[in-house]
Amino acid sequence: GAVVSQHPSWVICKSGTSVKIECRSLDFQATTMFWYRQFPKQSLMLMATSNEGSKATYEQGVEKDKFLINHASLTLSTLTVTSAHPEDSSFYICSASPPQGSSPLHFGNGTRLTVT
Amino acid sequence: GQNIDQPTEMTATEGAIVQINCTYQTSGFNGLFWYQQHAGEAPTFLSYNVLDGLEEKGRFSSFLSRSKGYSYLLLKELQMKDSASYLCAVRDSNYQLIWGAGTKLIIKP
Repeated sequence: GAVVSQHPSWVICKSGTSVKIECRSLDFQATTMFWYRQFPKQSLMLMATSNEGSKATYEQGVEKDKFLINHASLTLSTLTVTSAHPEDSSFYICSASPPQGSSPLHFGNGTRLTVT
Repeated sequence: GQNIDQPTEMTATEGAIVQINCTYQTSGFNGLFWYQQHAGEAPTFLSYNVLDGLEEKGRFSSFLSRSKGYSYLLLKELQMKDSASYLCAVRDSNYQLIWGAGTKLIIKP
């Protein structure tokens, strides 16, 4: 089945630094990938839709200059959290689906970010 | 607006059967998905319904009625490892996924 790989699984960084998270589709090409954030005991929140070769589409309330998304190839999207603050600590999950209309969304294993 | 409703929390007994309901109001419909999410982990795909009726996959089954905007996930022979959150998601006419808030299922021995 379709596999999405996300790296790193967890990261601890100091306030003010930047963190890059990678999301790869391993056995299919993904023109679109999705980045979600999930706070403890809350539902998934879509942050942005990453489009290969073009600018990402951000959801309302998500700062595009803070959460930089690059989707340079059909199998790789990156999310960079710039100038991280403790309130950015969360579980970040990427997802993608094969192009067939009935294909479900497959998720990476997520990245737990802790900003100290 | 678009909306998906599912119960916040349910409790069931090991070995029993539980039904988790999901109702939706979306702009168009291109399929309904159920995902399982254990605490601290990413969601994993369980089932997909696009036509009315029941889809069975081992201990798990999912039902859809498009005219009623309704689906349920049925879990049989419950095991302790089934304790998780179950997320209902609908793909709308723009192929956007609209997510429910999830149902936390607690299994008791």
